[in-house]
Amino acid sequence: DSGVTQTPKHLITATGQRVTLRCSPRSGDLSVYWYQQSLDQGLQFLIQYYNGEERAKGNILERFSAQQFPDLHSELNLSSLELGDSALYFCASSRGTGISPLHFGNGTRLTVT
Amino acid sequence: ELKVEQNPLFLSMQEGKNYTIYCNYSTTSDRLYWYRQDPGKSLESLFVLLSNGAVKQEGRLMASLDTKARLSTLHITAAVHDLSATYFCAVDIGSNSGYALNFGKGTSLLVTP
Repeated sequence: DSGVTQTPKHLITATGQRVTLRCSPRSGDLSVYWYQQSLDQGLQFLIQYYNGEERAKGNILERFSAQQFPDLHSELNLSSLELGDSALYFCASSRGTGISPLHFGNGTRLTVT
Repeated sequence: ELKVEQNPLFLSMQEGKNYTIYCNYSTTSDRLYWYRQDPGKSLESLFVLLSNGAVKQEGRLMASLDTKARLSTLHITAAVHDLSATYFCAVDIGSNSGYALNFGKGTSLLVTP
């Protein structure tokens, strides 16, 4: 158990809808990262937050947004969902903002129908 | 754009045999990470390589890093079935403000009797 908690585990929704994925980092970790894993694209970095502030941005679509709250949990909001958004979304956390391995949660499997 | 390439992408090997997985990356970095993912599961950190010439070993797995060649290897010695999983290498794409890992597409390893 990595100590990173993601909810829900599974999410099935329709195209055009909006969903929110939630992540609680390991105790003491200040950084949260979001990744999307799909068969064709592999593991894609979406965004990083450190102590409530956005620090790094990857291939995150404009329809997606995230935030990190004062208690350090993070939410990833996906809107106007398309079939291609179906994927496994991982949250990871680390102590700081560099030179440490990321600890991954168990992921949220999103299916858009 | 940083590219991380692994080969092979699929590997079937017999128990007891040795093999090496290669990870090439396209830009200068002194930090490379190896992760393992079991089917339907999260990613588990295996090794963190932080300098040129770094070598780390855990059980039947040994990882090394050559930053000049931009190459890391994951060597498997006397494979056993329990090593069947997907192995990812990842390179730090840190900047002054942020930090994230850019993953290769993974090597799916199947160890057969």
